[in-house]
Amino acid sequence: AQTVTQSQPEMSVQEAETVTLSCTYDTSESDYYLFWYKQPPSRQMILVIRQEAYKQQNATENRFSVNFQKAAKSFSLKISDSQLGDAAMYFCAYRGGNQFYFGTGTSLTVIP
Amino acid sequence: GAVVSQHPSRVICKSGTSVKIECRSLDFQATTMFWYRQFPKKSLMLMATSNEGSKATYEQGVEKDKFLINHASLTLSTLTVTSAHPEDSSFYICSATRVRSGYGYTFGSGTRLTVV
Repeated sequence: AQTVTQSQPEMSVQEAETVTLSCTYDTSESDYYLFWYKQPPSRQMILVIRQEAYKQQNATENRFSVNFQKAAKSFSLKISDSQLGDAAMYFCAYRGGNQFYFGTGTSLTVIP
Repeated sequence: GAVVSQHPSRVICKSGTSVKIECRSLDFQATTMFWYRQFPKKSLMLMATSNEGSKATYEQGVEKDKFLINHASLTLSTLTVTSAHPEDSSFYICSATRVRSGYGYTFGSGTRLTVV
């Protein structure tokens, strides 16, 4: 069975600093996709970044980048130059075929 | 980009009544939509998968007679909470995706249901 694990329920970062959120997953599939979603207090789920498993190159979106280690089944999110607006719940997610699994989430606090 | 509209955003209903929540894909066709329930500071719990033109697939433990799902068209799925009770109070979120599996899911803005 596919599972997604986020081992950090809460994280904090000083404004303008860098923080890394961890995510590991388990799958027997070779073709799948990984995502990080952000859920601010408004509760709207926002796609932050996506990674295709067949691509070795780590995805990057402005201040957000991932460290994708396929063999280790690890998919961490790095937020650089953290901003107050980055404060939110972050969910790691896995998609294989039509199956979609979320991690339990990491609550990120940004300290001014 | 893909947009999913969910309505209403908030609803308060009396115990024993039914409430309908709508989820629409505005600029793409979604053969499959998903309904989630989220408790405070918790992850999303998949309730059911809504398939256009066929019966929904419910996750284990979700009462299909209480949570009625209808996917009448390629752009609309509805969740009806029947005979609502206070324990049904929660945050409900729908999502949809395009056919290609590489796309992430686009989420509606959620519905806060309070049963009094």
